[in-house]
Amino acid sequence: EPEVTQTPSHQVTQMGQEVILRCVPISNHLYFYWYRQILGQKVEFLVSFYNNEISEKSEIFDDQFSVERPDGSNFTLKIRSTKLEDSAMYFCASSKDRSNGEKLFFGSGTQLSVL
Amino acid sequence: AQSVSQHNHHVILSEAASLELGCNYSYGGTVNLFWYVQYPGQHLQLLLKYFSGDPLVKGIKGFEAEFIKSKFSFNLRKPSVQWSDTAEYFCAVNAQSNTGKLIFGQGTTLQVKP
Repeated sequence: EPEVTQTPSHQVTQMGQEVILRCVPISNHLYFYWYRQILGQKVEFLVSFYNNEISEKSEIFDDQFSVERPDGSNFTLKIRSTKLEDSAMYFCASSKDRSNGEKLFFGSGTQLSVL
Repeated sequence: AQSVSQHNHHVILSEAASLELGCNYSYGGTVNLFWYVQYPGQHLQLLLKYFSGDPLVKGIKGFEAEFIKSKFSFNLRKPSVQWSDTAEYFCAVNAQSNTGKLIFGQGTTLQVKP
């Protein structure tokens, strides 16, 4: 079964540093998403992306965050200047169609630790 | 604003015990409802979903869930759990926004003792 892959599985960074989290969606998918889960809290929607632009973003997704699909394969989430509160598990997801949630495929997540 | 509440944060059961995990949501309109499972070290997987029709839905691995509209609930059940069901379980709602945006509950960690 095709999978969404995320690298690295665990990333440690210093506060104030930039990080890029990488995701390889399923190859024929067109809609891409980032979610995150702070330890002990809910999985939260961050952003959805289609046709090389953001479709929707949450309040969490401020100017420190950006997404791009640099090469038609990867889908990246960049945090420009990390804060301690950015420590979380970040999940990438993709879908082939404009999904109502049914056909989302999630990656295994990247655990980001900001020190 | 839409929200999802899971009442059990950590559940410990012995094998063969019955399971029921509660999920309530707050949204006045039509919703699509999901239960996801995350096994240790793995990605989120869809267990089952409800869109319309029969409010009792069956998913993979013997799980089922019942949508009770009047109670805004979508509780997950399994008559007899196995050690391999040890995982984290997430309830989620999509308000038919066609954006793939899911609102998740905080998750329930299920530990099944052999």
